[in-house]
Amino acid sequence: GDSVTQMEGPVTLSEEAFLTINCTYTATGYPSLFWYVQYPGEGLQLLLKATKADDKGSNKGFEATYRKETTSFHLEKGSVQVSDSAVYFCALFSSGANSKLTFGKGITLSVRP
Amino acid sequence: ETGVTQSPTHLIKTRGQQVTLRCSSQSGHNTVSWYQQALGQGPQFIFQYYREEENGRGNFPPRFSGLQFPNYSSELNVNALELDDSALYLCASSLLAGGETQYFGPGTRLLVL
Repeated sequence: GDSVTQMEGPVTLSEEAFLTINCTYTATGYPSLFWYVQYPGEGLQLLLKATKADDKGSNKGFEATYRKETTSFHLEKGSVQVSDSAVYFCALFSSGANSKLTFGKGITLSVRP
Repeated sequence: ETGVTQSPTHLIKTRGQQVTLRCSSQSGHNTVSWYQQALGQGPQFIFQYYREEENGRGNFPPRFSGLQFPNYSSELNVNALELDDSALYLCASSLLAGGETQYFGPGTRLLVL
């Protein structure tokens, strides 16, 4: 079945540091890929998405590129801010009879001033 | 545009009891999906409702059931509560049954004692 694997956390960075969060997936067919963010005490917010190979999703300075050859969708940001502290989830969407989002375990990012 | 809303925000129940959680979908969205997020884990798909019918189900027992109403709002019912049912329950709405972009509500945090 479908699965998403995220790098182990938590991750702690200083403000303005470069961020990479790794995500790899296993799926049949050609899923769409997503990054969601969850701030403390809140639900999930869609951060960015990519629907086909080599697509780049971007939003709020975050970027991720759909790499079919490595089945990866790593999240990057050039300069993190304290306000980026949250839990980040990688997810894939498989269409078809039982279409649903499949999530990774999530990784907690803490950014120090 | 009204976002996804859920009620209640928090709930405490005891083992063996029954619970009903409610969700109002985003304006114009006719599909609602429910997810269970255990502490420290990614959300797990429970089921999806489209046009008042169940349209896909994850690996959850039959004591998890749902309803969708003509106005597209939805309920999640859990019978015979177990301690492991303690989690954040997230509702997400999408424009179509196969809609890959899902918008999440803030969740209902259920504690089973």
